[in-house]
Order: sequence, then C-alpha cells, then structure tokens
Amino acid sequence: NAGVTQTPKFRILKIGQSMTLQCAQDMNHNYMYWYRQDPGMGLKLIYYSVGAGITDKGEVPNGYNVSRSTTEDFPLRLELAAPSQTSVYFCASFRDPETQYFGPGTRLLVL
Amino acid sequence: EDKVVQSPLSLVVHEGDTVTLNCSYEVTNFRSLLWYKQEKKAPTFLFMLTSSGIEKKSGRLSSILDKKELFSILNITATQTGDSAVYLCAVRDARAQKLVFGQGTRLTINP
Repeated sequence: NAGVTQTPKFRILKIGQSMTLQCAQDMNHNYMYWYRQDPGMGLKLIYYSVGAGITDKGEVPNGYNVSRSTTEDFPLRLELAAPSQTSVYFCASFRDPETQYFGPGTRLLVL
Repeated sequence: EDKVVQSPLSLVVHEGDTVTLNCSYEVTNFRSLLWYKQEKKAPTFLFMLTSSGIEKKSGRLSSILDKKELFSILNITATQTGDSAVYLCAVRDARAQKLVFGQGTRLTINP
C-alpha cells in the first residue's frame, strides 16, 4: 500500500491564481480530511468527507472547495489564491477505529 | 465550539531529563484523544486514548487520560536529542469523526 499520497510537494502561486491539491489513499478508508498548518501552529481542519459524495466544512473552509467522487481521491481546490493561504497542507484518512494516516504534505507559497 | 489547549507551548530541557506535556480539551461528543509527534514533516502517531486511567506506554513515552477532568498528559523519561519535535494533541469528535488539534508543544532537548 502506498498509504496517503499528496501532490505536488511544493508550489508557488501568484495572488489570484487557482490550483488543485491532490490527495489519494489506497487503504479503502471512508474518512478523509484536509488540514492546514501555519508556522508554529497546530493543524486546522479545512474540509472533511465521511464517504464518496459527502463533504463537510471544518474550522477554516473559506477560500477552498473539495469534492469526493471516489473513495480514493479527495482533491482540495483553491480559487483566487491569497497570501493568507500560504501554509503546509496535509491530507489524512482513517477507517474507524484506526488512527489517522497523514500524507507527506504540500507546501504552498502564495506571493 | 470544540477546543484543545496544550501547555507549555515550548519547552527546553537537557538530555536525560523527564518532561510532562499537558493537553486539556472541551469537546461535545468525545470519542478519543490522540498524541502525535511531528518533526519537519507529517505528524506520526504515538498513542490513542479512549478510557480514563489506563496508561498507554511505548518505550520511554507514556500517556494517560482523565475524562472527568478533560485532561491528558504525555510523559517522556530519560529524554534524548531525538525526542526534539513538536508534540500534538488531538481529540476526535464522535459525531462528526473529525480531529480537533491543539497548537502543539515544541520540545527541544539539549545535549
């Protein structure tokens, strides 16, 4: 199993550009999550999904969108990137009652 | 709103010392509390606690949960420089199955 994979590893965006952060897992987990981590801070939940076709907002959803058309994939879309979205983004998945498996992260810089 | 608070935010000790990291929480529908270690990449799982008073132990690390006081501690004995990391506490909401993270404790072990 590859576990949770994320692409890209690093990206620089200009203000106003858009992009999609990819996340995939091959463990057949129902639950998937997107977090952001700002320097020196804990993880903040952006969006999560409890299964294909079902998504819900977390603590900091503004400026982001998600979709979950398959169990494996959970892409995060940034529309109109802003400097405040400079962060490290982690995707995670779990299947109850296991713990969460984190992807390696995507570092995003918005200039 | 669900909240997880860790203390101290930062801690510097000498190799061989014992440290205790604290985590308090307010969660409407508690399911479990998790501890993670994070070194310059994705968090790695340490412990999951669901029952009060039962200590989880792994080598020099141990953790315990007090569900009455809404509190958990993570102990590290005979610290080593390799223990230097950010330690994250997170609580899982039983209804939404989402993890709420604390801001983390940055632990530095000096030789």
